[in-house]
Amino acid sequence: DAGVIQSPRHEVTEMGQEVTLRCKPISGHNSLFWYRQTMMRGLELLIYFNNNVPIDDSGMPEDRFSAKMPNASFSTLKIQPSEPRDSAVYFCASSSTGGAGGEAFFGQGTRLTVV
Amino acid sequence: KNQVEQSPQSLIILEGKNCTLQCNYTVSPFSNLRWYKQDTGRGPVSLTIMTFSENTKSNGRYTATLDADTKQSSLHITASQLSDSASYICVVDSGYSTLTFGKGTMLLVSP
Repeated sequence: DAGVIQSPRHEVTEMGQEVTLRCKPISGHNSLFWYRQTMMRGLELLIYFNNNVPIDDSGMPEDRFSAKMPNASFSTLKIQPSEPRDSAVYFCASSSTGGAGGEAFFGQGTRLTVV
Repeated sequence: KNQVEQSPQSLIILEGKNCTLQCNYTVSPFSNLRWYKQDTGRGPVSLTIMTFSENTKSNGRYTATLDADTKQSSLHITASQLSDSASYICVVDSGYSTLTFGKGTMLLVSP
C-alpha cells in the first residue's frame, strides 16, 4: 500500500479564497483523522471519522472549517474563507483500530500558506 | 487542564551516544501514551504505544518507559544515528477520542 496520500503537498492562496485539502486513507482502514500542526501549538486533532461518519469535530477551530468523507477512500478538509492564521501543515492520518486512540498512519501533509 | 510537557525542547548529541527524552503529563483519565518520531517535512511515525499496565516497550534502539503513578514517560535512544535527527512527540490518549499532544523535543545527532 502507498500509505496515506494527501494532495496538494503545498498550497499558497490569498486571504478570502476557498481551500480544499484532499486525503486518501490506507485501504481497509476505517478511521480517518485530520490534524493541524504549527510551531506555536504543535499538533492538534481537528476531526476524526469512523466508518465515514464524523465522530468528534470538537477540534475544528470555527465554522470556516468543514470536513467530509463521502466514501471509505476519500476525505476533504475545506477552509472557506481562508485567513493568514490558517497557515499551517495539515496532516491526514488513518487507522484500522477505531477511535482516535488507535495507532494512526500519517500522510506527508499539506503545507498551507495564506497570504 | 490536560497538559503534556516535554523536555528538553531541543537536544544535540554526538553520533553513537545515548539520550533520554522526557514526557510529563497531567491528563486524566488515561488510556494510553504514545511516542511519535517526525522527520522534517514528513508526517509523524508511531514508535511505541503503552497502556496503563505497561511500564516499558522497545522498538529497536528506542525504549519507552511509563510510570503511571508519577505520570511520567521517557524515550531512550541507544547508540544514536544521524537518521535519529527528528522531532519526538509524546501524546496521551484519554479515551473517548481525546488526545493531548506535547510540543515535541527536537533532536539533532551530530557526526
